[in-house]
Amino acid sequence: SQKIEQNSEALNIQEGKTATLTCNYTNYSPAYLQWYRQDPGRGPVFLLLIRENEKEKRKERLKVTFDTTLKQSLFHITASQPADSATYLCARHMDTGRRALTFGSGTRLQVQP
Amino acid sequence: EAQVTQNPRYLITVTGKKLTVTCSQNMNHEYMSWYRQDPGLGLRQIYYSMNVEVTDKGDVPEGYKVSRKEKRNFPLILESPSPNQTSLYFCASSQDRFAGYTFGSGTRLTVV
Repeated sequence: SQKIEQNSEALNIQEGKTATLTCNYTNYSPAYLQWYRQDPGRGPVFLLLIRENEKEKRKERLKVTFDTTLKQSLFHITASQPADSATYLCARHMDTGRRALTFGSGTRLQVQP
Repeated sequence: EAQVTQNPRYLITVTGKKLTVTCSQNMNHEYMSWYRQDPGLGLRQIYYSMNVEVTDKGDVPEGYKVSRKEKRNFPLILESPSPNQTSLYFCASSQDRFAGYTFGSGTRLTVV
């Protein structure tokens, strides 16, 4: 079965530094990967989507990479702020007719002021 | 405002008493989905719908039913809830297969 894995340990960094979160997947590459932010007790919020033929995608302070050789996606937040503290979820989707999005368990980011 | 609305926000019920969690979206999205979220297990898909009258099972469909009679609504039905269905439930929608999902605010269900 297709799996998607994120580091379950929380990531603690200092304000202003770059946070890098990792998402690894098994078996064959998904057509694309999505990244979401989730705050406690709230629904996930969509951030970025990257297709397998794209190596990098940017949106303001966010950057996502997709390495099909390593079977990995990296999510970067530059110039991090305490307001960026949240859990970040990676999700995979296969290029089939089914609209089935499988989520990783998420990595909690804590940005210290 | 574009949104997915779930109701109720919180619900405590007893084992075996049928319940429905409603979900409505105002974005004319074709795709809708239900997820449950449990500590240590993350988000798991229950059911999804690609369009009106088209639904399919996700990873954990047992004990749940859905219907999609109208494009905007996608209710989740628990015919005979059990304590192992105690969870945080999310409804989500998206315009197409390449778009991100918009999630609702969640329904925290407790079955005693």
